[in-house]
Amino acid sequence: KNEVEQSPQNLTAQEGEFITINCSYSVGISALHWLQQHPGGGIVSLFMLSSGKKKHGRLIATINIQEKHSSLHITASHPRDSAVYICAVRIGSQGNLIFGKGTKLSVKP
Amino acid sequence: NAGVMQNPRHLVRRRGQEARLRCSPMKGHSHVYWYRQLPEEGLKFMVYLQKENIIDESGMPKERFSAEFPKEGPSILRIQQVVRGDSAAYFCASSSADEQYFGPGTRLTVT
Repeated sequence: KNEVEQSPQNLTAQEGEFITINCSYSVGISALHWLQQHPGGGIVSLFMLSSGKKKHGRLIATINIQEKHSSLHITASHPRDSAVYICAVRIGSQGNLIFGKGTKLSVKP
Repeated sequence: NAGVMQNPRHLVRRRGQEARLRCSPMKGHSHVYWYRQLPEEGLKFMVYLQKENIIDESGMPKERFSAEFPKEGPSILRIQQVVRGDSAAYFCASSSADEQYFGPGTRLTVT
C-alpha cells in the first residue's frame, strides 16, 4: 500500500462544476503539499498545509491531521484547470516529499 | 528573483553515454532535492543535498547515479552509462525553510 493515496485517479468535469480531489496518507507528516502539473510541463506548488484550510482564488485546500486526510477543491472549474494534481507529504522539517500518483483532471467546455 | 533553473530542458543520450543534469536553486536557497518521474509513474525522491553535503541519498540507485552540490555553481545529477530505463523527467526543487519550489525539469531520453 502506498503511503500517499489519491482519489480519484481520473476525473472529467464540465466547465463550471465544483471539483474535489482527495488525499489520504498513512504516516506522520510535518506538511502536505498540493502540486499541479500540466502535460509535458513543470510542477507548480499550489499549497503547503500543516493544519486547517487555505484558499487561493478558486482553489481551496483543507487538511485534517487526525484523520490523515486532505482535500483540494476547485470552484467554478475551467478548461485551463485541466492538469494532473499531485498530493505530496513531508516527513520531518527539511525532509524529502513522498508523492501520490496524481489525479488527472480534464475540464470540458 | 529567478525561479529554480534546470538545464538542459531536453537531453538525448545513447545507451552507455553519460548524462549530466544541472539545477540552479532559487537565490538564497541552500537545500536541493532531486526527484525522478518515470513515464506513467509518480514522482519519486532521489537525493537531498545541502551545500557540499549529501544529506539523504536513500532514493538514489546504488550504481551509476551520483549527485553533488558544490560550494559554487549548480547542483549536478550525473548518470553514467545510461540505459533505456533511465529515460524519465528529472525535477529538482530548492528550499530555504519549509516550502519546496520546483524547476521545469529535464527530460532525458535514452536511445
